[in-house]
Amino acid sequence: SQKIEQNSEALNIQEGKTATLTCNYTNYSPAYLQWYRQDPGRGPVFLLLIRENEKEKRKERLKVTFDTTLKQSLFHITASQPADSATYLCALDSLSGAGSYQLTFGKGTKLSVIP
Amino acid sequence: DTAVSQTPKYLVTQMGNDKSIKCEQNLGHDTMYWYKQDSKKFLKIMFSYNNKELIINETVPNRFSPKSPDKAHLNLHINSLELGDSAVYFCASSQGDIREGPHEQFFGPGTRLTVL
Repeated sequence: SQKIEQNSEALNIQEGKTATLTCNYTNYSPAYLQWYRQDPGRGPVFLLLIRENEKEKRKERLKVTFDTTLKQSLFHITASQPADSATYLCALDSLSGAGSYQLTFGKGTKLSVIP
Repeated sequence: DTAVSQTPKYLVTQMGNDKSIKCEQNLGHDTMYWYKQDSKKFLKIMFSYNNKELIINETVPNRFSPKSPDKAHLNLHINSLELGDSAVYFCASSQGDIREGPHEQFFGPGTRLTVL
């Protein structure tokens, strides 16, 4: 069966350290992968999109990798700050049977950055 | 100047009632979506419309009916509400046609539906 797993439900790290979140998937062939941030009581906010033929994508303190052989994406936040505390969602972007791209979300990892 | 807005933010109702949630986007996007986020926090696609045309229609009870009067609006009507319909419903939009490629999605603030 198809599965998307984000490494842990919760991750605590010290301010200033690099946070690394993992997204593993099985029985999917996503052409793209997206990461979103969700704060309590709010809708997800888009962070990054990476294509299957891209190994790495960066945006300011964020870095995403996408390994289609390992079926894994890593999401890094360098020099983490308390304001980075939120739930981070991995989403696979696959072509559905109807011929449209469709996002399938993981459950998310709740990151807490401790001052 | 809210990009994607939903009303109401909270909806508490009795089993068996019919209710609607409204969504509007002022981004000029072509595609709109409805997602459901259940108590376990999984966010799942329900429907997608591109320029008022239904594109994605996941396995959702037919008590749920989306309506897109124009490309800036996508409303969700739910008939005969059940306890299991309690969840947070998110509207989203994206630029372009999702049959041509993936796009970042812009989400609304969500509507928390509680069925008693």
